Amino acid sequence: GENVEQHPSTLSVQEGDSAVIKCTYSDSASNYFPWYKQELGKRPQLIIDIRSNVGEKKDQRIAVTLNKTAKHFSLHITETQPEDSAVYFCAAKGTGGSYIPTFGRGTSLIVHP
Amino acid sequence: DGGITQSPKYLFRKEGQNVTLSCEQNLNHDAMYWYRQDPGQGLRLIYYSQIVNDFQKGDIAEGYSVSREKKESFPLTVTSAQKNPTAFYLCASSRGQAATNEKLFFGSGTQLSVL
Repeated sequence: GENVEQHPSTLSVQEGDSAVIKCTYSDSASNYFPWYKQELGKRPQLIIDIRSNVGEKKDQRIAVTLNKTAKHFSLHITETQPEDSAVYFCAAKGTGGSYIPTFGRGTSLIVHP
Repeated sequence: DGGITQSPKYLFRKEGQNVTLSCEQNLNHDAMYWYRQDPGQGLRLIYYSQIVNDFQKGDIAEGYSVSREKKESFPLTVTSAQKNPTAFYLCASSRGQAATNEKLFFGSGTQLSVL
């Protein structure tokens, strides 16, 4: 099955800095890569996703890049703000019989004012 | 926050007791999922259901059971066989399994603790 590794587990930045979270996946047939944000005490919510036919996708201050050859994808947050503080999960969804995404272990992002 | 509702928010289990966590959605979604969240472990899949009266084991199904008698409801029972049940449990749903329907909508979770 799919295996997703996520790094770092904790990331601390100053407000205004950029933050990058990286994930690798094992199944070369995976074709959908979502990112979820979970603020403290709240439910995870999808913030951005990318499909395997696209190399990069941007939405305001967040962007995701995908390198299919290396089987890794990254979340980039620019001009970080304290409200970006949360746990971020990457996931990869393969093809075949199961359409269930496999999640990484999460990255706790702390943005210091 | 509407759409998918979990209850209770906090639940305590005694030794040898089975407890049931509720998950209800009014999004008309076909697929529903249960995840367990432990610190540093990410989201691990317990069970999922693609359609009424059908469900499949996830990665950590041992000690858990589910039912899917109605499209709207997917309760999770944590049995006495689950020796380490303390965790945060998240229910989720999605429109279906097709390529355009992968977005997961999560409930607000249930924190289960052992007395």
